[in-house]
Amino acid sequence: GAGVSQSPSNKVTEKGKDVELRCDPISGHTALYWYRQRLGQGLEFLIYFQGNSAPDKSGLPSDRFSAERTGESVSTLTIQRTQQEDSAVYLCASSLSQGTNEKLFFGSGTQLSVL
Amino acid sequence: AQSVTQLGSHVSVSEGALVLLRCNYSSSVPPYLFWYVQYPNQGLQLLLKYTTGATLVKGINGFEAEFKKSETSFHLTKPSAHMSDAAEYFCAVSDGATGANNLFFGTGTRLTVIP
Repeated sequence: GAGVSQSPSNKVTEKGKDVELRCDPISGHTALYWYRQRLGQGLEFLIYFQGNSAPDKSGLPSDRFSAERTGESVSTLTIQRTQQEDSAVYLCASSLSQGTNEKLFFGSGTQLSVL
Repeated sequence: AQSVTQLGSHVSVSEGALVLLRCNYSSSVPPYLFWYVQYPNQGLQLLLKYTTGATLVKGINGFEAEFKKSETSFHLTKPSAHMSDAAEYFCAVSDGATGANNLFFGTGTRLTVIP
């Protein structure tokens, strides 16, 4: 597609359930990032994929969070046993390659609400 | 370590008036600085960025920002506000040596333009 696509756009779940968020990056972009934006806070880095290299998971807040990416295509962010503090907008971004000089293209995000 | 402070979570200006959105950063190394904009119901877009060279950076839609090392600031300005400028604006900083997984965002400033 023309841009970064995320699904679903909204997700409401009950505490304790697992959720899976999907990101389709721009075709040809080797770098893919997941961020989280909680209400009233700035964007928080979660995880980063670059090609076939091992992902940078340093931003994942707990072992309930995991992410996968198949090659240079779709990525899924999974949150197990969701908690109310997981409620946030989860943003995915992609760029041609790693490097701050590369322009990041963001998706519209997934609004996650944990009841 | 890097951090960003955006003064004013909400800013209102009249159409045609000067827009000034403040951003101060903290960085132990020469920073790369960014402004992102999020229009209603859209993902984040890069407005402009400073990496090296000229300290006055021009971006899209008539916005510009000036890197002032002595003041550790990167304020965003536009001489004349348009109704279409109403959006959420995020300032971000990275250390300039690594990829965007070290991009730190401020909490954002919501700009309202009054007709």
